[in-house]
Amino acid sequence: DAKTTQPNSMESNEEEPVHLPCNHSTISGTDYIHWYRQLPSQGPEYVIHGLTSNVNNRMASLAIAEDRKSSTLILHRATLRDAAVYYCILRDVSFGNEKLTFGTGTRLTIIP
Amino acid sequence: ETGVTQTPRHLVMGMTNKKSLKCEQHLGHNAMYWYKQSAKKPLELMFVYSLEERVENNSVPSRFSPECPNSSHLFLHLHTLQPEDSALYLCASSQKGGTGTGYGYTFGSGTRLTVV
Repeated sequence: DAKTTQPNSMESNEEEPVHLPCNHSTISGTDYIHWYRQLPSQGPEYVIHGLTSNVNNRMASLAIAEDRKSSTLILHRATLRDAAVYYCILRDVSFGNEKLTFGTGTRLTIIP
Repeated sequence: ETGVTQTPRHLVMGMTNKKSLKCEQHLGHNAMYWYKQSAKKPLELMFVYSLEERVENNSVPSRFSPECPNSSHLFLHLHTLQPEDSALYLCASSQKGGTGTGYGYTFGSGTRLTVV
């Protein structure tokens, strides 16, 4: 699986936007970029995913670089409930490969 | 509730015990997974079941034995575990598709296992 690189930790103030970066310089053409987050004492939850174009949903936005070697998860207005570990994962779904391989993620702390 | 339910939430067992973890999903998914999350380590994929057939076993010791009787249920049978097996065990499900659209996983809340 292609590798991703994320900062170990980030802090942000409540009610401000948060930009979580992810580098994936060895991404292949069939890799989708997935983001999950894990709140304390819970399993990971799906946040968003994309292939080439920027994506928006009710939880977040995903900005993908034109060369696809990096992406940024954007939380538009962070709340205390957004404090979690955020995982950026490349998922190759060609040939029916359904595996999700997690790295260490970014631990996001929200300051009240 | 995520649609994936794991029981029990917490389990303490001795090294000579036999116990089972249960996972149930009501999402109509056709692939299910067991992950292990140890303290300060990334999630490790243990087993993958696709259409009720085990398709992946990531060098997991034989003291962990999975079972998938149907597409909605997944078990992890445990016997003669070691203290280092203490961890959070997470179950997930997804829809295995041929469209390549990258459907997401849905995880349960996990079973916190302590081996004493």
